[in-house]
Amino acid sequence: EVQLLESGGDLVQPGGSLRLSCAASGFTFSSYAMAWVRQTPGKGLEWVSAITGGGGDTFHADSVKGRFTISRDNSKNTLYFQMNNLRAEDTGVYYCVKGSASVRPYHFDYWGQGVLVTISP
Amino acid sequence: EIVLTQSPGTLSLSPGERATLSCRASQSISTNHLAWYQQKSGQAPRLLIYGASSRATGIPDRFSGSGTGTDFSLTISRLEPEDFAVYFCQEYGRSRAFGQGTRLDIK
Repeated sequence: EVQLLESGGDLVQPGGSLRLSCAASGFTFSSYAMAWVRQTPGKGLEWVSAITGGGGDTFHADSVKGRFTISRDNSKNTLYFQMNNLRAEDTGVYYCVKGSASVRPYHFDYWGQGVLVTISP
Repeated sequence: EIVLTQSPGTLSLSPGERATLSCRASQSISTNHLAWYQQKSGQAPRLLIYGASSRATGIPDRFSGSGTGTDFSLTISRLEPEDFAVYFCQEYGRSRAFGQGTRLDIK
């Protein structure tokens, strides 16, 4: 059974930083792309960042480029998300999602339960 | 950037009825890289359909997807009580964009 367990959500002040983690199990982690998708009151569901199965290529939405970094440790079956210079509009639920393949194109076939990130003074 | 527009915003139907949800893309979606997800209140989205018409693992056959180019639809043949939720479409070939969702309510 595929399981994705996120952690690290918190209340942070604007300009602050946060690191999310996602522990994966139930599949060969290194064989699949992974991504972060967020759900915010302002924009609904929004793909934010993705990384190929091997970790060699990363992709970020324009809204987070230069501020957020996705990475993975295939030896630990764990996905990471470093979020810097956080803004109020980054507030939302962040989902760790599994891609259906190692490289594009792929749909998101499994989702974690989500973690809440709140940016507020 | 591909923009997906879902309609209607809210659909009110009764159990046993047929539901048809629409997803229109601002540009043609090549190779039918279109997925549908279901989100129940307080839960994460769940994959229903990929490749515009292929059902994901464990999805009942009352769910079906169709369409090509810029116009796609999700049909639920006979609504069950557990089908009342929010449904999202997503293009995953180029932009990974999501639609804004259609809420399916019990009438």
